[in-house]
Amino acid sequence: AQSVTQLGSHVSVSEGALVLLRCNYSSSVPPYLFWYVQYPNQGLQLLLKYTSAATLVKGINGFEAEFKKSETSFHLTKPSAHMSDAAEYFCAVSATGTGNQFYFGTGTSLTVIP
Amino acid sequence: NAGVTQTPKFRVLKTGQSMTLLCAQDMNHEYMYWYRQDPGMGLRLIHYSVGEGTTAKGEVPDGYNVSRLKKQNFLLGLESAAPSQTSVYFCASRIRDRGLNQPQHFGDGTRLSIL
Repeated sequence: AQSVTQLGSHVSVSEGALVLLRCNYSSSVPPYLFWYVQYPNQGLQLLLKYTSAATLVKGINGFEAEFKKSETSFHLTKPSAHMSDAAEYFCAVSATGTGNQFYFGTGTSLTVIP
Repeated sequence: NAGVTQTPKFRVLKTGQSMTLLCAQDMNHEYMYWYRQDPGMGLRLIHYSVGEGTTAKGEVPDGYNVSRLKKQNFLLGLESAAPSQTSVYFCASRIRDRGLNQPQHFGDGTRLSIL
């Protein structure tokens, strides 16, 4: 069975500081991993996806994530936080089988302190 | 470029009432999904569909029914609403692909309160 775990339901950083949001996956096969962002009262938007072509994946808004098989991790980072980055972030894994369901983590709420 | 559109955006129901949430996508996607989002629990899959006329249960299907009569529409029904169904409901769609790297595209959600 595939699943993802997001460590830290709330993360606070100062504006301009490094953003690090953690995601660990559990999968018996090579996973397909995604990061989504949700702004208040909106749906989920795709930030980036891992497709095995490269371990370092660049996404929108300056975010990137690195796939580390040895650590079963896919952490999301951004070198310098901006106030507009305040949102909820979800890690997800695409499952094999009918419908290719996604399994989402419980989310990390990012607060950016001015 | 509408993408995935959900109606209504907000609704308040009384316990025992019924209603239908509509999801429409204009991307010609084969797969469609209904999720509910509750604080601290992420998104949980209610039902999904892999094509017109087909539906399947997800993780939390009890109390909900769905229909996919047209490829572009996926309806979620609550026959007898309960306070435990107070939540934010999201619809998503995805292209059918042999690989697993295609993302799901989400609507803006329906905020449903059951009194």
